[in-house]
Amino acid sequence: SAVISQKPSRDICQRGTSLTIQCQVDSQVTMMFWYRQQPGQSLTLIATANQGSEATYESGFVIDKFPISRPNLTFSTLTVSNMSPEDSSIYLCSVEQLNTEAFFGQGTRLTVV
Amino acid sequence: QKEVEQNSGPLSVPEGAIASLNCTYSDRVSQSFFWYRQYSGKSPELIMSIYSNGDKEDGRFTAQLNKASQYVSLLIRDSQPSDSATYLCAVGYSTLTFGKGTMLLVSP
Repeated sequence: SAVISQKPSRDICQRGTSLTIQCQVDSQVTMMFWYRQQPGQSLTLIATANQGSEATYESGFVIDKFPISRPNLTFSTLTVSNMSPEDSSIYLCSVEQLNTEAFFGQGTRLTVV
Repeated sequence: QKEVEQNSGPLSVPEGAIASLNCTYSDRVSQSFFWYRQYSGKSPELIMSIYSNGDKEDGRFTAQLNKASQYVSLLIRDSQPSDSATYLCAVGYSTLTFGKGTMLLVSP
């Protein structure tokens, strides 16, 4: 499976600020995704990061709040903008390989105060 | 709306017993089915994938899929305390939908 490096691993941020999370993969992958896992909840897909075009967002998530970049087949960023305490979650980068198997980065634990 | 349902648990089993985890899904066109293990504070780890009806075995783990009943399960034989974690069922066609997970507790 691909090795996925995600950073930062955790951060504490002031409300109203923005945080950019980076995801680096050790091999070229077609599909990259960003998920959110709120406390005690399962994973919710935020968007599919598309290389060379705008990300595809799921219902309830918008580009202004969660801008995503995908400049190449090994790297993506997710920005959480104008943060509020409700944005406190774990954010996970995921890549998809053979037969749609998805693998996850270590996650970013975000606390907004 | 695609739904994946799991019993939240906790499911408690003694060491050495068989743990049985269940999952149902709503989207009939789903083609890929996965079980992930998530330890507290860690990211999900893929442990089993299954794509066709029947059983698939990998070591102590057996995944079972019944598309007619829209049901997928995971059996863990000879359960160990290190198996204590939350197990997430994920179902997909183009993107994955995750269940809320079942917490498994294996007591020594």
